[in-house]
Amino acid sequence: GAGVSQSPSNKVTEKGKDVELRCDPISGHTALYWYRQSLGQGLEFLIYFQGNSAPDKSGLPSDRFSAERTGGSVSTLTIQRTQQEDSAVYLCASSTRQGAGGELFFGEGSRLTVL
Amino acid sequence: GENVEQHPSTLSVQEGDSAVIKCTYSDSASNYFPWYKQELGKRPQLIIDIRSNVGEKKDQRIAVTLNKTAKHFSLHITETQPEDSAVYFCAAPSYGGSQGNLIFGKGTKLSVKP
Repeated sequence: GAGVSQSPSNKVTEKGKDVELRCDPISGHTALYWYRQSLGQGLEFLIYFQGNSAPDKSGLPSDRFSAERTGGSVSTLTIQRTQQEDSAVYLCASSTRQGAGGELFFGEGSRLTVL
Repeated sequence: GENVEQHPSTLSVQEGDSAVIKCTYSDSASNYFPWYKQELGKRPQLIIDIRSNVGEKKDQRIAVTLNKTAKHFSLHITETQPEDSAVYFCAAPSYGGSQGNLIFGKGTKLSVKP
């Protein structure tokens, strides 16, 4: 297909609610990454999926954050009991190569606002 | 794990001048160093990368240099144009070599004044 697709593009929620963000990577890309970008800040690593290997969850900021990748394709990032500090743009990226040696193709991001 | 430091955080140049952005990394085993450009409101995109078997790589007006001994690499943009205005991110692998995920620097906001 085209590029990496993310939904929703914008999400406004109330503090304490759960949210799900979806990422549809480029077909055939085995690696999938989630990053978080707060206003005017850099790209903060959250989680990395590579093929059938166990995901690298070392970047998840708390146990309120979780992610899964079903069938080696679509991924969902779930944030439970959202807090105001969770407000950010959540970026998904996919890559053809194992490890960090290949180009990352980013989606447009999901902008989350927690009121 | 890897730690990437990027400087400066903001950079303003006149059109036609050169711009240089510098990054340092901590893991001497890292061997892949990409640069991403993010225009306002858009997604980050790879503009150039370098692997540790070379010291410099050029692509038209942009170049990247790598000093493995000092563990730093730099992005050079010559003859800057207004469309070069964006945030630039350097990155390095999280677990050395080219394994794991990419750790990004905090970004440099480049403004090119006409």
